[in-house]
Amino acid sequence: DAEITQSPRHKITETGRQVTLACHQTWNHNNMFWYRQDLGHGLRLIHYSYGVQDTNKGEVSDGYSVSRSNTEDLPLTLESAASSQTSVYFCASSRDSWNTEAFFGQGTRLTVV
Amino acid sequence: DQQVKQNSPSLSVQEGRISILNCDYTNSMFDYFLWYKKYPAEGPTFLISISSIKDKNEDGRFTVFLNKSAKHLSLHIVPSQPGDSAVYFCAAMNVLQGAQKLVFGQGTRLTINP
Repeated sequence: DAEITQSPRHKITETGRQVTLACHQTWNHNNMFWYRQDLGHGLRLIHYSYGVQDTNKGEVSDGYSVSRSNTEDLPLTLESAASSQTSVYFCASSRDSWNTEAFFGQGTRLTVV
Repeated sequence: DQQVKQNSPSLSVQEGRISILNCDYTNSMFDYFLWYKKYPAEGPTFLISISSIKDKNEDGRFTVFLNKSAKHLSLHIVPSQPGDSAVYFCAAMNVLQGAQKLVFGQGTRLTINP
C-alpha cells in the first residue's frame, strides 16, 4: 500500500543544533507540505512544494528550510534549533487536483532543550 | 490573526446522539473547506469536504453544512459512536492560491460517552 512516513517519531535536541526531519511518500504525489501543531493554534503551514526543485514558504517558515530533489522526499531542516520550535511536526502530500484531500504522516514530536 | 476558528475546545456527547462541531472563518476568499479527524499519536485523516458552491455535503453519518453569508460551517455526526472520540480540525483553502494550502482551526476534542 502507498503511504507517507516520517522519521524519527520522537527527537530531543539541544538549542542551536541543526536538525533534519524526514518525510517520504510512495504515492508519487507532486504536492508535499510540512505543518506544525501547537496547542491553541491547530496546524500551521511551514513550507510546501508542488514538485521537484519547487519550494515555497508558508505561514511560519522562519528558522526552517526544505529541499525537493525527488518526488518522494521533502526533508525539513531546522537550521539552529530554538525552544520555540518544540512542537509536533506533520508532513502531508496530495494529488494535483484542487478538490482532493491531503494525506498526513504520523508526526514527529520534536523537543528542543 | 486566526482566519479559521473553532471556538469550542471540547465537546462531550452521549453515544447515539448527534454531535455538532462548529467552525467560523474570516477570509471571504476561502472556497473549499475540509474536516479532518485526529487520534492521539496519529496524523490527521480526511473526513469530509465541501465546496463553496454547495451548502451541504453528506457522507454516511457525517454531514457538513456551509453558510457563506455567516462564514460558518458545521459538522454533524449522527448517530455518534465511541470510535468518533477524537480531535476534529476544520480547514479552509482558496483554490486559486494553490492545491491544499490549508488553514486550520485550533481543533475541537470530541468525547462520546457510552
